[in-house]
Amino acid sequence: GQQVMQIPQYQHVQEGEDFTTYCNSSTTLSNIQWYKQRPGGHPVFLIQLVKSGEVKKQKRLTFQFGEAKKNSSLHITATQTTDVGTYFCAGVRDTGNQFYFGTGTSLTVIP
Amino acid sequence: KAGVTQTPRYLIKTRGQQVTLSCSPISGHRSVSWYQQTPGQGLQFLFEYFSETQRNKGNFPGRFSGRQFSNSRSEMNVSTLELGDSALYLCASSLVSAVNTQYFGPGTRLTVL
Repeated sequence: GQQVMQIPQYQHVQEGEDFTTYCNSSTTLSNIQWYKQRPGGHPVFLIQLVKSGEVKKQKRLTFQFGEAKKNSSLHITATQTTDVGTYFCAGVRDTGNQFYFGTGTSLTVIP
Repeated sequence: KAGVTQTPRYLIKTRGQQVTLSCSPISGHRSVSWYQQTPGQGLQFLFEYFSETQRNKGNFPGRFSGRQFSNSRSEMNVSTLELGDSALYLCASSLVSAVNTQYFGPGTRLTVL
């Protein structure tokens, strides 16, 4: 079964609005990565989070790793049309050595 | 550095046939992972190869197999194709482990008729 769940599955926003996607795991993760896949493209690495409670920022993107290391979020401030795509989280279980990709959140930005 | 390359980019096969997909990782990367991406199931891990050995395997039937060569290039094979095997097959390379940052190739779009 799916190890890592993401919500929402789809999100439509007006350009300039904020966007958040959430990633939840049933087990503790040693680290989590986020990827972005543009329509027709392939996943591209965005960031990795390792520490409990870690927060990292990349311009308008803010990534958080939960205190219990079972969840993570990606928040985009003031979305732009270039943000369109599907955002995936990928987690590694504490006892594992492979990634479990989340189900992805498809973001549409309406100009 | 050149990115991950995959060939062919598109493939059309019929049920029962077999197919071989190829992946060339980024120079210096020794770990190659394969994923199947479908609209309904998202990204599903197939297997990971490192130093010509399969190091991890996902939950796919034995019809899916792979190998890695001494130059780290990898191939995956799907035998006795089924309609449900239609998908985008992505290869990702990383330095030493699939839990490092993964760099994805453009994928091979397989359609089974």
